[in-house]
Amino acid sequence: AQKVTQAQTEISVVEKEDVTLDCVYETRDTTYYLFWYKQPPSGELVFLIRRNSFDEQNEISGRYSWNFQKSTSSFNFTITASQVVDSAVYFCALSESGSGYSTLTFGKGTMLLVSP
Amino acid sequence: DGGITQSPKYLFRKEGQNVTLSCEQNLNHDAMYWYRQDPGQGLRLIYYSQIVNDFQKGDIAEGYSVSREKKESFPLTVTSAQKNPTAFYLCASSIDLDYNSYEQYFGPGTRLTVT
Repeated sequence: AQKVTQAQTEISVVEKEDVTLDCVYETRDTTYYLFWYKQPPSGELVFLIRRNSFDEQNEISGRYSWNFQKSTSSFNFTITASQVVDSAVYFCALSESGSGYSTLTFGKGTMLLVSP
Repeated sequence: DGGITQSPKYLFRKEGQNVTLSCEQNLNHDAMYWYRQDPGQGLRLIYYSQIVNDFQKGDIAEGYSVSREKKESFPLTVTSAQKNPTAFYLCASSIDLDYNSYEQYFGPGTRLTVT
């Protein structure tokens, strides 16, 4: 069975600090997809990134970057120069496709608090 | 603007009553999903649907029911059989539910309180 672990329950930083959110996953499939979502206080989940298991290139989007390492089954998310607006709960999720249908398994989330 | 609408944002019910949560999307997505979120927990899948008139149970379907009579709509009924119905409910949709695993887009959620 697939599983996603976000060991950091809550992280507090001061604005402009860099912060990394960890995500470790378990799957028996060779083809799978990894996602990160942001949930601000309003509650709606916002899609950030989707990565398939064959693409291990790191990705950067503005202040956000993602480090995918199959060798350690990790898909970590770094925010550079954090801002107060980054305060939210961040979820990592995994989707397997071996059965033909794919649904998401979410980690429990990491709450990020960025103070001014 | 395309998106997912859930109404109402807050819902209060007495124990023993069934309640239906609305979810509508105008993204022309085939697949729709219902999740439940409890404090400090991730999202858990209740039901999902790939096409009209077809849906599948997720990990925690007991005490819930759904229908998919139209592509745009996927209402969730929380029945009196659900032992702990108080939670935050999120509806989502994606282009399809297939091998390629497209990203899901979420509605604003409904916070249900049952007393």
